[in-house]
Amino acid sequence: EPEVTQTPSHQVTQMGQEVILRCVPISNHLYFYWYRQILGQKVEFLVSFYNNEISEKSEIFDDQFSVERPDGSNFTLKIRSTKLEDSAMYFCASNYQETQYFGPGTRLLVL
Amino acid sequence: GENVEQHPSTLSVQEGDSAVIKCTYSDSASNYFPWYKQELGKGPQLIIDIRSNVGEKKDQRIAVTLNKTAKHFSLHITETQPEDSAVYFCAASMRGNMLTFGGGTRLMVKP
Repeated sequence: EPEVTQTPSHQVTQMGQEVILRCVPISNHLYFYWYRQILGQKVEFLVSFYNNEISEKSEIFDDQFSVERPDGSNFTLKIRSTKLEDSAMYFCASNYQETQYFGPGTRLLVL
Repeated sequence: GENVEQHPSTLSVQEGDSAVIKCTYSDSASNYFPWYKQELGKGPQLIIDIRSNVGEKKDQRIAVTLNKTAKHFSLHITETQPEDSAVYFCAASMRGNMLTFGGGTRLMVKP
């Protein structure tokens, strides 16, 4: 069964560094999402992406964040200058007929 | 925006018993309500979903009910098994766009 994949599974970085989280959505899906889950808290929506542009974003998704679909398969989330509070699990999802399928996540730790 | 509340935060049941998890939502425009199961170290996995044009949906031991008037929906798991132990999240959205998640319920099924 096709599934969403994410790399890396874990990332440790120093505060102020840039990180890029990568996702490969399911191939025939058209909508892509990023969510994050801070330890012990709710899963929170960050951004949705359709037809090569952002369709919706939350207040969390400020100028430090950007998304890109650099080729036909990858979908990336870039955090330009990481802060301690960016430490979280980041999930990518893709959408088919309203149903969102999630990847296994990337655990980001900012020191 | 949408707000989803989920109860209880933890639930412990004996194997074979039923488990019920309840969620309320605030935005009457929401029309799609999925439930996700998250096992340790994995991404949320869709287990069942319901749309606002139906009141109940069942899939083997899992059922979901929706009360649009009261703006609440519930997950029912019958004949629980140890492998049902996980964190369960409810969510709400409009037309499958950004999901707003509840806070999660940690279900423990004791053998």
